[in-house]
Amino acid sequence: DTAVSQTPKYLVTQMGNDKSIKCEQNLGHDTMYWYKQDSKKFLKIMFSYNNKELIINETVPNRFSPKSPDKAHLNLHINSLELGDSAVYFCASSQDSTFSTTEAFFGQGTRLTVV
Amino acid sequence: DAKTTQPNSMESNEEEPVHLPCNHSTISGTDYIHWYRQLPSQGPEYVIHGLTSNVNNRMASLAIAEDRKSSTLILHRATLRDAAVYYCILRDVRSGAGSYQLTFGKGTKLSVIP
Repeated sequence: DTAVSQTPKYLVTQMGNDKSIKCEQNLGHDTMYWYKQDSKKFLKIMFSYNNKELIINETVPNRFSPKSPDKAHLNLHINSLELGDSAVYFCASSQDSTFSTTEAFFGQGTRLTVV
Repeated sequence: DAKTTQPNSMESNEEEPVHLPCNHSTISGTDYIHWYRQLPSQGPEYVIHGLTSNVNNRMASLAIAEDRKSSTLILHRATLRDAAVYYCILRDVRSGAGSYQLTFGKGTKLSVIP
């Protein structure tokens, strides 16, 4: 069984479009995250939710809006897509956000290409 | 920002042990040392983590220096499947949020030679 699953795996879209990436975890974790990995392979955190509440919101354009309908889901909606949004987006989850006895589980990523 | 320093790349022969170093000279007493790896075209994968004592699991061993300013991830027998980018991470406290995050640095790209 897939622990953290993202859909779609690939997404090609035109500039200016609005798109969503879905993420689901079946681990019963309380905390979920979105990371962005750019073409230089740097992996940067974007958002973190704990029990459906936003706890981390890095400097990300307002065009990016995370939504957590329940603890098991954290979706990422992107408005007015730009060329610079092209990247691989990873969803992750962890039991809690202490990272003392917990580890993070990552999805397989969504490769977004904006043309 | 990442508070660890790792070599950009390393090579190992297949079936030989690999020692991946990490320096974290500004580590605080409550910082856990985490290691993740990212295989090509996959998401990061947890490897191991520890606080003060050396740790072993089915994937690897983590040796932590007595002063905790450095650590070494040990893969006992490298296989081709171990070729990946290995990240050494200190959990980052989020002030005012009462939580932590994992901030990834550049990592070490490990190549395994058959």
